[in-house]
Amino acid sequence: AQSVSQHNHHVILSEAASLELGCNYSYGGTVNLFWYVQYPGQHLQLLLKYFSGDPLVKGIKGFEAEFIKSKFSFNLRKPSVQWSDTAEYFCAVSPYNTDKLIFGTGTRLQVFP
Amino acid sequence: KAGVTQTPRYLIKTRGQQVTLSCSPISGHRSVSWYQQTPGQGLQFLFEYFSETQRNKGNFPGRFSGRQFSNSRSEMNVSTLELGDSALYLCASSLARGQIFYNEQFFGPGTRLTVL
Repeated sequence: AQSVSQHNHHVILSEAASLELGCNYSYGGTVNLFWYVQYPGQHLQLLLKYFSGDPLVKGIKGFEAEFIKSKFSFNLRKPSVQWSDTAEYFCAVSPYNTDKLIFGTGTRLQVFP
Repeated sequence: KAGVTQTPRYLIKTRGQQVTLSCSPISGHRSVSWYQQTPGQGLQFLFEYFSETQRNKGNFPGRFSGRQFSNSRSEMNVSTLELGDSALYLCASSLARGQIFYNEQFFGPGTRLTVL
């Protein structure tokens, strides 16, 4: 069955700390990979995406993610978080050539000044 | 460019009733997908439509149905509402050229459905 696992359910950091959120997926075919963010009171927004090519992708607001095919992983990183990064982060995969997104359970990130 | 719009934003219904939710995609987008978001189950895929055809369906009972119109607008319907149907229903649209999907989906604000 297709699934996405996010191992960190709740992460608490101080500003300027580094962030890494884990994401592993289970799917037998080609996939596209995404990280979405949901800020408090706002709707889901795309943070970054991987379709093909360089496995290290950069997104908005200084976030990046690395696709490691052999590990079925797509971890999200940011070297130095800010209070404004407080949000819920969702990893998602989409079977190639469909719009069906399979989401992980999400990681709630709280950043304290 | 206007984003994805969903109407209504909030709905309160009672068990046994039915409900119809509407989604207008970004202009030029031809693919619309629906998701259910709940605290317990997270974000779950409901349907995907392209050119008025359902391409994929998630693991939901037949009470959940949808359709897409020729202008790409989409509706979803839930019949015989149950308490567990209380959720945020999200619509997303994407640009699809022919049968090639670019998968960058843009989400609307959602419709918050409460079933009493």
